[in-house]
Amino acid sequence: RKEVEQDPGPFNVPEGATVAFNCTYSNSASQSFFWYRQDCRKEPKLLMSVYSSGNEDGRFTAQLNRASQYISLLIRDSKLSDSATYLCVVNIISSGSARQLTFGSGTQLTVLP
Amino acid sequence: EAGVAQSPRYKIIEKRQSVAFWCNPISGHATLYWYQQILGQGPKLLIQFQNNGVVDDSQLPKDRFSAERLKGVDSTLKIQPAKLEDSAVYLCASSPLWTLKNPNTGELFFGEGSRLTVL
Repeated sequence: RKEVEQDPGPFNVPEGATVAFNCTYSNSASQSFFWYRQDCRKEPKLLMSVYSSGNEDGRFTAQLNRASQYISLLIRDSKLSDSATYLCVVNIISSGSARQLTFGSGTQLTVLP
Repeated sequence: EAGVAQSPRYKIIEKRQSVAFWCNPISGHATLYWYQQILGQGPKLLIQFQNNGVVDDSQLPKDRFSAERLKGVDSTLKIQPAKLEDSAVYLCASSPLWTLKNPNTGELFFGEGSRLTVL
């Protein structure tokens, strides 16, 4: 089983739609969680952290369910500029108290005009 | 502020040849990472340095891959000999020092990557 699994996608949605991505992780000792965004042929960039109580940043809402080892990202009122691959990232404390950030395979989103 | 610099941006080699990638992290960032991203997959950690020491190289294929970080600043990743399956983008990232007592946002700052094609 992969450490971090995501919806394979691709998701093709019209402008203005609401879309949700899911992510599950296998290591119950995972400490913290993030969503990164990666545009085509570009490097990944941090979109938002995911907090236990859930958090919102404009049109983006992230949720964490530790009991189910599940993370989600909701995008409301999709824009053309939201088209990208969304990467779920889990922070695991490895040996020596170093952190290891493990990336999922990503979910591709295309917002259509 | 200057970002993470990587070179070369593109490299095409034949299998069994060698290649080296260079990375200059953001000034002051203690932690440096090398990730391999194969097309259609997420980045996979190859090696992580804290200052000039290795903290995680568990997924580095040590029979062919090597990396060093001289003086805790620049880093070089080498592949020798290359295989067809090494075709990927090699991403370097850096972050401020992270410890259990000093958590940061978790943000990694990535370079634009070095795209390797092995023929």
